[in-house]
Formats: sequence, C-alpha cells, structure tokens
Amino acid sequence: SAVISQKPSRDICQRGTSLTIQCQVDSQVTMMFWYRQQPGQSLTLIATANQGSEATYESGFVIDKFPISRPNLTFSTLTVSNMSPEDSSIYLCSVQTGTGELFFGEGSRLTVL
Amino acid sequence: GEDVEQSLFLSVREGDSSVINCTYTDSSSTYLYWYKQEPGAGLQLLTYIFSNMDMKQDQRLTVLLNKKDKHLSLRIADTQTGDSAIYFCAEMAPPGRRALTFGSGTRLQVQP
Repeated sequence: SAVISQKPSRDICQRGTSLTIQCQVDSQVTMMFWYRQQPGQSLTLIATANQGSEATYESGFVIDKFPISRPNLTFSTLTVSNMSPEDSSIYLCSVQTGTGELFFGEGSRLTVL
Repeated sequence: GEDVEQSLFLSVREGDSSVINCTYTDSSSTYLYWYKQEPGAGLQLLTYIFSNMDMKQDQRLTVLLNKKDKHLSLRIADTQTGDSAIYFCAEMAPPGRRALTFGSGTRLQVQP
C-alpha cells in the first residue's frame, strides 16, 4: 500500500488568489494523478503528474489554471490559480503502486469566496 | 468512449447483504476498482479486479465481473451501519492509461 499526505486539508480562499496543494507519498511511485471532486459529484481527472517533464492534462483543464510540479518520485504539487467560486471542490492526489492498486489522499477541501 | 454508470442510492437493513451494481462501456478495461467514501473523508480502496477474472472475494466483499455484459458488482455480506457511505466503481481503460474513470457513486444507507 501507499500512505499519501495532502496539505492543506482544507482552506478558505478569496477570489483571484492562488493556492498550492502538496502531495507527499511514503514510497517512490511512478504514477501520480490529481483529481477534482466538485460538491456532491464524482471524481474527474485533472492531470497526470510526470516526474521530470510537464504534466499531461485532460480535456477541459489547462496548465495556466492548474500548474503541476513533480520534482521527484514521492512529491507533487497542484496550484489552483486565479480562483473563482466555481473552483470550490475537493482536490485529491492519487498514486499507483507496482501491484496496480491506486490509492488516494484524504483530499484538500477548497472553498473560494 | 469511457462511461461508467451506477445507481444513485441503495438502502438495506443491518445484517442483510448489499449489492451495488456498475456498468461500463469500454471493453478494453484492464482493471476495475471499488472505492468507499465516508462523509468528509477521502477515497478508501476496497478491492479491485483484473479484467481476466470473473470473481474476487475478500472477507465480506465479493466482486463479480461479467465482461460480456460489461457489468461489475460489489456484494457486501452482513452489512453493518459502518458500511454506510458512498461507493464508487472505476475503470482503468484503455490499456496503457493508468488513470481512472469513475462512476457517479452509489449512496448506501444501512438501517438498524
């Protein structure tokens, strides 16, 4: 298994500001992902965080809005830029282990006023 | 394309079995997963099944996969009040893609 720590666990932010969410894993993993869960909804993949190269974004998500870093095999950050109330969601980090299991962090609950 | 569907709500009595169903459209799915989400919490991986398997059992959990009908189910035996949560199924498809496509989630309510 993998233990994933996300920071912050929750935050309340003002419109127009940016927030960076950190994801730390207790072991080296090849695949790391960022998902968004809007209130009362399912999870949607934002991007795959690639170590040493630019993230791969899903349709509807762009680097300028959601820049991602992946400096090594245990850490990644997701920034939500120029926030609006529509960005209020839970943002979840996920990793895949060598056995095919995908684990999730506890999520970062963001409220934008 | 990828599409995963679940019923939205299931109510059972404590001690009964629960069966949560899921259908998917991508026949090239490699792995299929079940997650549990309790209020205010992240996603807990319950179990997963490889696409060449028909069944997987893990204590109170039984997963059945019908590839022909693209149907996945999760059976929880002897359901307890602590099992009340939202259950998500998710598929990994097509081959080579490592991320998941999630269903809408099924809210399981267990009545004492």
